[in-house]
Amino acid sequence: EPEVTQTPSHQVTQMGQEVILRCVPISNHLYFYWYRQILGQKVEFLVSFYNNEISEKSEIFDDQFSVERPDGSNFTLKIRSTKLEDSAMYFCASREQGPTGELFFGEGSRLTVL
Amino acid sequence: AQSVTQPDIHITVSEGASLELRCNYSYGATPYLFWYVQSPGQGLQLLLKYFSGDTLVQGIKGFEAEFKRSQSSFNLRKPSVHWSDAAEYFCAVGESNAGNMLTFGGGTRLMVKP
Repeated sequence: EPEVTQTPSHQVTQMGQEVILRCVPISNHLYFYWYRQILGQKVEFLVSFYNNEISEKSEIFDDQFSVERPDGSNFTLKIRSTKLEDSAMYFCASREQGPTGELFFGEGSRLTVL
Repeated sequence: AQSVTQPDIHITVSEGASLELRCNYSYGATPYLFWYVQSPGQGLQLLLKYFSGDTLVQGIKGFEAEFKRSQSSFNLRKPSVHWSDAAEYFCAVGESNAGNMLTFGGGTRLMVKP
């Protein structure tokens, strides 16, 4: 069964460092997303991406965050200068075209900022 | 703004007993509603979804959910719980457009007693 894969599964970084989280969405999917879940809190929407541009973003997704689809397969989330409060599980998701398409989530990348 | 409330943070049931997990949502238009399950160390897996039509929807693993517009609820049920159902369950509401941004509830952690 096709799946969304994320790397790394866990990353530890120092505050102020740049971090790139990588995702390989399902190959025929056209919509891509990042969500995050701070420990003990809700899963929160960060950003959606379609046709090589951001289609929606939340208040959390400030100038420190960026997304990119550098080639035909990867979808990355970059945090330019990490803060302690960026520590969370980051989930990538993708779906087919159409408003009722199911979101398929990856297993998540746990980011720990020290 | 849309929101989702899962009133029960933790629920413990005996194996073989029935289960109902509560979900209440707030959304101005007709919502798209989802239930996801997250096992330890895993990503979010879709159990079932409601977009329109029959208000009782069947999902995977023997789960079902009923959409009740008058109560703004979308409770998840299973007639007989198995030990492997122990996990965290998330209710989510999505916007009825192509963006499909999801707003998640806080989750309910289900524990199953032998």
